[in-house]
Amino acid sequence: DIQMTQSPSSLSASVGDRVTITCRASQSISSYLNWYQQKPGKAPKLLIYAASSLQSGVPSRFSGSGSGTDFTLTISSLQPEDFATYYCQQSYSTPFGFTFGPGTKVDIK
Amino acid sequence: EVQLVESGGGLVQPGGSLRLSCAASGFTFSSYWMSWVRQAPGKGLEWVANIKQDGSEKYYVDSVKGRFTISRDNAKNSLYLQMNSLRAEDTAVYYCARDGYYYDSSGYQTPIDFDYWGQGTLVTVSS
Repeated sequence: DIQMTQSPSSLSASVGDRVTITCRASQSISSYLNWYQQKPGKAPKLLIYAASSLQSGVPSRFSGSGSGTDFTLTISSLQPEDFATYYCQQSYSTPFGFTFGPGTKVDIK
Repeated sequence: EVQLVESGGGLVQPGGSLRLSCAASGFTFSSYWMSWVRQAPGKGLEWVANIKQDGSEKYYVDSVKGRFTISRDNAKNSLYLQMNSLRAEDTAVYYCARDGYYYDSSGYQTPIDFDYWGQGTLVTVSS
Protein backbone atom coordinates (compact mmCIF):
# COMPACT_ATOMS: atom_id res chain seq x y z
CA ASP A 1 0.00 0.00 0.00
CA ILE A 2 1.11 3.54 -0.72
CA GLN A 3 1.64 5.63 2.41
CA MET A 4 1.44 9.40 2.43
CA THR A 5 3.18 11.75 4.85
CA GLN A 6 2.87 15.51 5.23
CA SER A 7 5.04 18.12 6.86
CA PRO A 8 4.67 20.06 8.95
CA SER A 9 1.69 18.65 10.83
CA SER A 10 0.77 22.18 11.80
CA LEU A 11 2.01 25.68 11.25
CA SER A 12 1.21 29.18 12.40
CA ALA A 13 1.29 31.98 9.86
CA SER A 14 0.14 35.54 9.35
CA VAL A 15 -2.08 37.04 6.69
CA GLY A 16 0.06 37.78 3.65
CA ASP A 17 2.65 35.09 4.41
CA ARG A 18 3.82 32.62 1.80
CA VAL A 19 3.04 29.10 3.04
CA THR A 20 4.44 25.83 1.75
CA ILE A 21 3.21 22.36 2.73
CA THR A 22 5.05 19.20 1.72
CA CYS A 23 3.61 15.79 0.91
CA ARG A 24 5.68 12.64 0.35
CA ALA A 25 4.61 9.28 -1.05
CA SER A 26 6.18 5.96 -0.01
CA GLN A 27 6.73 5.12 -3.68
CA SER A 28 6.60 6.98 -6.96
CA ILE A 29 3.07 8.09 -7.84
CA SER A 30 3.95 10.11 -10.94
CA SER A 31 1.62 13.13 -10.82
CA TYR A 32 -1.35 11.32 -9.26
CA LEU A 33 -1.57 13.72 -6.34
CA ASN A 34 -4.42 15.94 -5.23
CA TRP A 35 -4.78 18.59 -2.53
CA TYR A 36 -7.88 19.38 -0.44
CA GLN A 37 -8.79 22.11 2.03
CA GLN A 38 -11.06 21.39 4.98
CA LYS A 39 -12.50 23.91 7.40
CA PRO A 40 -13.92 22.86 10.78
CA GLY A 41 -17.30 21.17 10.50
CA LYS A 42 -17.24 21.30 6.70
CA ALA A 43 -16.61 18.85 3.90
CA PRO A 44 -13.23 18.88 2.16
CA LYS A 45 -12.83 20.93 -0.99
CA LEU A 46 -10.67 19.97 -3.95
CA LEU A 47 -7.99 22.61 -4.61
CA ILE A 48 -5.39 21.01 -6.87
CA TYR A 49 -5.56 17.84 -8.99
CA ALA A 50 -2.88 15.99 -10.93
CA ALA A 51 -0.21 17.65 -8.77
CA SER A 52 -0.39 21.09 -10.36
CA SER A 53 -3.79 21.72 -11.99
CA LEU A 54 -5.98 24.29 -10.27
CA GLN A 55 -9.57 23.19 -9.72
CA SER A 56 -12.15 25.52 -11.23
CA GLY A 57 -13.06 28.39 -8.93
CA VAL A 58 -9.99 28.05 -6.69
CA PRO A 59 -8.00 31.28 -6.25
CA SER A 60 -4.73 31.51 -8.13
CA ARG A 61 -2.76 32.07 -4.92
CA PHE A 62 -2.91 28.29 -4.52
CA SER A 63 -0.44 26.26 -6.55
CA GLY A 64 0.91 22.74 -6.56
CA SER A 65 4.11 21.19 -7.83
CA GLY A 66 6.09 17.99 -7.79
CA SER A 67 6.13 14.51 -9.24
CA GLY A 68 7.35 11.08 -8.25
CA THR A 69 7.43 11.03 -4.46
CA ASP A 70 7.71 14.69 -3.40
CA PHE A 71 5.02 17.33 -3.76
CA THR A 72 4.29 20.81 -2.45
CA LEU A 73 1.25 22.99 -1.99
CA THR A 74 2.01 26.70 -1.90
CA ILE A 75 -0.23 29.55 -0.84
CA SER A 76 1.45 32.66 -2.20
CA SER A 77 -0.21 35.19 0.11
CA LEU A 78 -2.24 33.72 2.96
CA GLN A 79 -5.74 35.14 3.34
CA PRO A 80 -8.01 34.97 6.42
CA GLU A 81 -10.24 32.38 4.72
CA ASP A 82 -7.25 30.07 4.12
CA PHE A 83 -6.89 29.05 7.75
CA ALA A 84 -7.85 25.39 7.53
CA THR A 85 -6.45 21.87 7.37
CA TYR A 86 -4.90 20.72 4.11
CA TYR A 87 -4.72 17.10 2.95
CA CYS A 88 -2.85 15.50 0.10
CA GLN A 89 -4.26 12.37 -1.55
CA GLN A 90 -2.74 9.88 -3.97
CA SER A 91 -4.76 8.40 -6.82
CA TYR A 92 -1.96 6.29 -8.36
CA SER A 93 -3.73 3.17 -7.09
CA THR A 94 -6.94 4.10 -8.89
CA PRO A 95 -9.51 2.61 -8.98
CA PHE A 96 -8.53 0.06 -6.33
CA GLY A 97 -7.79 2.47 -3.53
CA PHE A 98 -6.89 6.00 -2.55
CA THR A 99 -4.83 7.27 0.38
CA PHE A 100 -4.84 10.61 2.15
CA GLY A 101 -2.00 12.22 4.01
CA PRO A 102 -2.48 12.94 7.74
CA GLY A 103 -3.16 16.64 7.16
CA THR A 104 -1.50 19.98 7.88
CA LYS A 105 -3.34 22.47 10.04
CA VAL A 106 -2.69 26.12 9.18
CA ASP A 107 -3.66 28.52 11.94
CA ILE A 108 -3.25 32.16 12.79
CA LYS A 109 0.04 33.33 14.30
CA GLU B 1 -25.43 22.97 -9.18
CA VAL B 2 -23.99 19.67 -8.02
CA GLN B 3 -25.52 18.53 -4.73
CA LEU B 4 -24.84 15.44 -2.64
CA VAL B 5 -26.97 14.89 0.45
CA GLU B 6 -26.20 12.04 2.83
CA SER B 7 -28.63 10.52 5.30
CA GLY B 8 -29.01 7.47 7.49
CA GLY B 9 -26.38 8.09 10.14
CA GLY B 10 -27.00 7.60 13.84
CA LEU B 11 -26.12 5.69 16.97
CA VAL B 12 -25.75 1.92 16.64
CA GLN B 13 -24.44 -0.77 18.97
CA PRO B 14 -21.29 -2.73 18.18
CA GLY B 15 -22.14 -5.60 15.85
CA GLY B 16 -25.14 -3.73 14.48
CA SER B 17 -25.99 -2.53 10.98
CA LEU B 18 -26.75 0.76 9.31
CA ARG B 19 -27.49 1.84 5.74
CA LEU B 20 -26.32 5.21 4.51
CA SER B 21 -27.84 6.94 1.50
CA CYS B 22 -26.62 9.76 -0.70
CA ALA B 23 -29.01 11.65 -2.96
CA ALA B 24 -27.32 13.24 -5.97
CA SER B 25 -28.54 16.07 -8.15
CA GLY B 26 -27.24 18.67 -10.59
CA PHE B 27 -25.24 16.26 -12.75
CA THR B 28 -25.66 13.04 -14.72
CA PHE B 29 -25.23 10.60 -11.82
CA SER B 30 -24.98 7.53 -14.06
CA SER B 31 -21.85 8.94 -15.74
CA TYR B 32 -19.64 9.06 -12.66
CA TRP B 33 -17.78 6.77 -10.33
CA MET B 34 -18.83 7.55 -6.75
CA SER B 35 -17.08 7.07 -3.42
CA TRP B 36 -17.59 7.07 0.33
CA VAL B 37 -14.93 8.76 2.46
CA ARG B 38 -14.98 8.86 6.25
CA GLN B 39 -13.42 10.92 9.00
CA ALA B 40 -13.21 9.74 12.60
CA PRO B 41 -13.68 12.49 15.22
CA GLY B 42 -10.61 14.71 15.28
CA LYS B 43 -8.82 12.53 12.72
CA GLY B 44 -7.93 12.61 9.05
CA LEU B 45 -9.72 11.43 5.94
CA GLU B 46 -10.00 7.77 4.91
CA TRP B 47 -11.36 6.55 1.60
CA VAL B 48 -13.81 3.70 2.25
CA ALA B 49 -15.20 2.41 -1.05
CA ASN B 50 -16.02 3.30 -4.63
CA ILE B 51 -18.33 2.05 -7.37
CA LYS B 52 -18.22 2.29 -11.13
CA GLN B 53 -20.95 4.03 -13.11
CA ASP B 54 -22.88 0.82 -13.84
CA GLY B 55 -22.07 -0.88 -10.53
CA SER B 56 -19.91 -3.53 -12.22
CA GLU B 57 -16.78 -2.66 -10.24
CA LYS B 58 -16.57 -1.98 -6.51
CA TYR B 59 -13.51 -1.55 -4.34
CA TYR B 60 -13.03 -1.25 -0.59
CA VAL B 61 -10.41 -0.31 1.96
CA ASP B 62 -9.13 -3.45 3.68
CA SER B 63 -10.62 -2.53 7.07
CA VAL B 64 -14.22 -2.75 5.78
CA LYS B 65 -13.97 -5.61 3.28
CA GLY B 66 -16.59 -8.26 4.00
CA ARG B 67 -18.56 -5.92 6.28
CA PHE B 68 -19.53 -2.94 4.08
CA THR B 69 -21.25 -3.00 0.69
CA ILE B 70 -21.44 -0.06 -1.67
CA SER B 71 -24.27 0.10 -4.20
CA ARG B 72 -26.11 2.57 -6.39
CA ASP B 73 -29.47 3.07 -8.08
CA ASN B 74 -28.98 5.20 -11.17
CA ALA B 75 -32.74 5.49 -11.72
CA LYS B 76 -33.02 7.16 -8.32
CA ASN B 77 -29.71 9.08 -8.54
CA SER B 78 -28.72 7.50 -5.26
CA LEU B 79 -25.62 5.96 -3.69
CA TYR B 80 -25.72 3.63 -0.71
CA LEU B 81 -23.41 2.12 1.91
CA GLN B 82 -24.65 -0.93 3.80
CA MET B 83 -22.58 -1.29 6.96
CA ASN B 84 -22.73 -4.55 8.91
CA SER B 85 -20.82 -5.89 11.91
CA LEU B 86 -20.06 -2.35 12.97
CA ARG B 87 -17.17 -1.66 15.32
CA ALA B 88 -16.27 1.26 17.55
CA GLU B 89 -13.51 2.18 15.10
CA ASP B 90 -16.13 2.73 12.37
CA THR B 91 -17.36 5.80 14.27
CA ALA B 92 -16.93 8.70 11.86
CA VAL B 93 -18.56 11.26 9.66
CA TYR B 94 -19.24 9.54 6.33
CA TYR B 95 -19.04 11.65 3.19
CA CYS B 96 -20.41 10.81 -0.22
CA ALA B 97 -18.14 12.11 -2.99
CA ARG B 98 -18.25 12.32 -6.77
CA ASP B 99 -15.12 11.03 -8.44
CA GLY B 100 -13.50 13.30 -10.98
CA TYR B 101 -11.96 11.33 -13.83
CA TYR B 102 -9.87 11.18 -16.97
CA TYR B 103 -9.99 8.81 -19.93
CA ASP B 104 -6.95 6.57 -20.24
CA SER B 105 -5.48 5.42 -23.55
CA SER B 106 -7.95 2.53 -23.76
CA GLY B 107 -10.93 4.80 -23.18
CA TYR B 108 -11.47 3.60 -19.61
CA GLN B 109 -12.94 6.30 -17.39
CA THR B 110 -10.42 6.40 -14.56
CA PRO B 111 -11.42 8.02 -11.25
CA ILE B 112 -8.73 10.46 -10.17
CA ASP B 113 -10.00 12.75 -7.41
CA PHE B 114 -13.05 13.71 -5.36
CA ASP B 115 -14.41 16.88 -6.92
CA TYR B 116 -17.70 17.26 -5.06
CA TRP B 117 -18.59 16.21 -1.52
CA GLY B 118 -21.74 16.01 0.55
CA GLN B 119 -22.04 17.55 4.00
CA GLY B 120 -21.55 14.20 5.73
CA THR B 121 -23.56 12.03 8.11
CA LEU B 122 -22.32 10.96 11.54
CA VAL B 123 -22.20 7.29 12.46
CA THR B 124 -21.54 6.50 16.11
CA VAL B 125 -20.89 2.90 17.15
CA SER B 126 -21.22 2.58 20.90
CA SER B 127 -23.00 0.54 23.55
